Amino acid sequence: AQSVSQHNHHVILSEAASLELGCNYSYGGTVNLFWYVQYPGQHLQLLLKYFSGDPLVKGIKGFEAEFIKSKFSFNLRKPSVQWSDTAEYFCAVNAGGYNKLIFGAGTRLAVHP
Amino acid sequence: GAVVSQHPSWVICKSGTSVKIECRSLDFQATTMFWYRQFPKQSLMLMATSNEGSKATYEQGVEKDKFLINHASLTLSTLTVTSAHPEDSSFYICSARRTRETGELFFGEGSRLTVL
Repeated sequence: AQSVSQHNHHVILSEAASLELGCNYSYGGTVNLFWYVQYPGQHLQLLLKYFSGDPLVKGIKGFEAEFIKSKFSFNLRKPSVQWSDTAEYFCAVNAGGYNKLIFGAGTRLAVHP
Repeated sequence: GAVVSQHPSWVICKSGTSVKIECRSLDFQATTMFWYRQFPKQSLMLMATSNEGSKATYEQGVEKDKFLINHASLTLSTLTVTSAHPEDSSFYICSARRTRETGELFFGEGSRLTVL
């Protein structure tokens, strides 16, 4: 069965620090990969997605993610976080032929001024 | 961007009653909608996939007679929690897919159900 693993459950950073959130999935075929963000009191929003092509994907708000097929990973990065990045981040995978997204457990990010 | 709206956003009910939650795609037609359940401090658990005009496909362990899903039109799907019990208290989130090719989902605001 497909699964998505997010290694960090809670991350605390100071403003301007660099961020990397890990995401690994278990599926050997073609995948579509997503990172969603849920700001406090708001609904899930798409940060970025990967379908094919350049494995380094740029998203909104300065986020990027790199798809490394050999490692089954899709880590999220941001060079310099802001207080407004405080949120919960979910990695999700849509495996080829599967009509649904499987979500990781999420990572709560707290950025202190 | 595509907008998905859920109603109600918050509902309290007595044990044994039924509650209906609506999910609407406001500016696009959604051939497929998904219902998720989110437990506190946990991820989203897919409950069922709802295709317009056909029966929903439920995930393993989800009681289809307990969680009735209807997708009567391309812009509306409903989730009815029948004979609700306190353990059904949760945050229910719907999402909709605009096109099959992208796989991208658009999420509603969620509906918090509390069963007393």
